[in-house]
Amino acid sequence: GQNIDQPTEMTATEGAIVQINCTYQTSGFNGLFWYQQHAGEAPTFLSYNVLDGLEEKGRFSSFLSRSKGYSYLLLKELQMKDSASYLCAVQVSGSARQLTFGSGTQLTVLP
Amino acid sequence: NAGVTQTPKFQVLKTGQSMTLQCAQDMNHEYMSWYRQDPGMGLRLIHYSVGAGITDQGEVPNGYNVSRSTTEDFPLRLLSAAPSQTSVYFCASSYGRQRTAKSSYNEQFFGPGTRLTVL
Repeated sequence: GQNIDQPTEMTATEGAIVQINCTYQTSGFNGLFWYQQHAGEAPTFLSYNVLDGLEEKGRFSSFLSRSKGYSYLLLKELQMKDSASYLCAVQVSGSARQLTFGSGTQLTVLP
Repeated sequence: NAGVTQTPKFQVLKTGQSMTLQCAQDMNHEYMSWYRQDPGMGLRLIHYSVGAGITDQGEVPNGYNVSRSTTEDFPLRLLSAAPSQTSVYFCASSYGRQRTAKSSYNEQFFGPGTRLTVL
């Protein structure tokens, strides 16, 4: 089976940097996704990692270590609008594009 | 492009009633899927399809049926609604095969969701 763990809640201050960790144990691996979900809305794509290393996209970066089954999402220069749930999802190799999601990390940005 | 659309946005059912949640996409995506989202449990896969005429079960398929007669549409049917099916339902779509390792073509696009309450 698949197991994906991420912290339930995190709090940070506007302008700061926050790192959201995700660990996974899956039978095969074909990529890891991070999604952002504001309350009452649909998840929206943030990043995709399939190779080890760091992917940077503006204020958001995502890191992957396949050997350790570990990823993190780094958010810089936090803004109030970054308050949302951040979902880590793994795509298992051989699967027809299915994603297995973690339970999400609720980030609250304080002024 | 409208992307992924879902109807209705809200629905209240009584136990035992049946209904169909509609999902459509206009991006010519091969892969479509249905998830349910419950508090503290993340998104769980109900059913998915890799192309017209092909469907398969996900993690929590019981009580739901799907069909894929066209590339664009992927309706989810609740056969006999139960209070345990109260949830938010999301439809998603993506290309059917991985394009490149570093391409966001691999992402799944989500519809706005249907909030279902079963009394």
